[in-house]
Amino acid sequence: QVQLVESGGGVVQPGGSLRLSCVASGFAFRSQGMHWVRQAPGKGPEWVAFIRFDESYKYYADSVKGRFTVSRDNSRNSLYLQMNSLRAEDTALYYCVKNVVVVVKGANFYLMDVWGKGTTVTVSS
Amino acid sequence: EIVMTQSPATLSVSPGERATLSCRASHSVDTNLAWYQQRPGQAPRLLIYGASSRATGIPARFSGSGSGTDFTLTINSLQSEDSAVYYCQQYNNWPPWTFGQGTKVEIK
Repeated sequence: QVQLVESGGGVVQPGGSLRLSCVASGFAFRSQGMHWVRQAPGKGPEWVAFIRFDESYKYYADSVKGRFTVSRDNSRNSLYLQMNSLRAEDTALYYCVKNVVVVVKGANFYLMDVWGKGTTVTVSS
Repeated sequence: EIVMTQSPATLSVSPGERATLSCRASHSVDTNLAWYQQRPGQAPRLLIYGASSRATGIPARFSGSGSGTDFTLTINSLQSEDSAVYYCQQYNNWPPWTFGQGTKVEIK
């Protein structure tokens, strides 16, 4: 079955950096786009970043644009999120999420289907 | 950006009864609307996509309806394991993909 296992979270001071990783198994990782989604304590999920299966395009939430970079290594079935200039408001549980393409009336739509268990990032002095 | 608004914030329902959750989009999302269930301490799980299609392994007591801007998730014959927060999410216009703030379903 599909498994997504995140790691790399921790406690970091404001202005610091962290690199999150996600190892995927149980599906053709090299053929699927992937998302990072975060959830602050007591809040709903917030989409952070998307990367296409071949890295041909990447999208970021305005709140992280210019500070976070999403990447992947298809040979290692791995997804990454480099987070720089971290702020207190980046404190959250970060999920790696598999994308699936849904075709509706000939158009492609990108749906999040399987979520990992998440890794916790705490930004605090 | 499309804003998703869910109501009510909390719903308290007796076992065996029906729960009806609402989600409204600030602009039409056609039927590109998903519902996720998040049990305490767990990651979200896809329940419904395409506004009304159940994801793999989801019991038939979960059903979705709606199109455009107004959507409903119905849980029939509520069971104790259905106690969770339910989020709607649009995937029609992206980026960004956007979520509602959630409806917490409590079992009386």
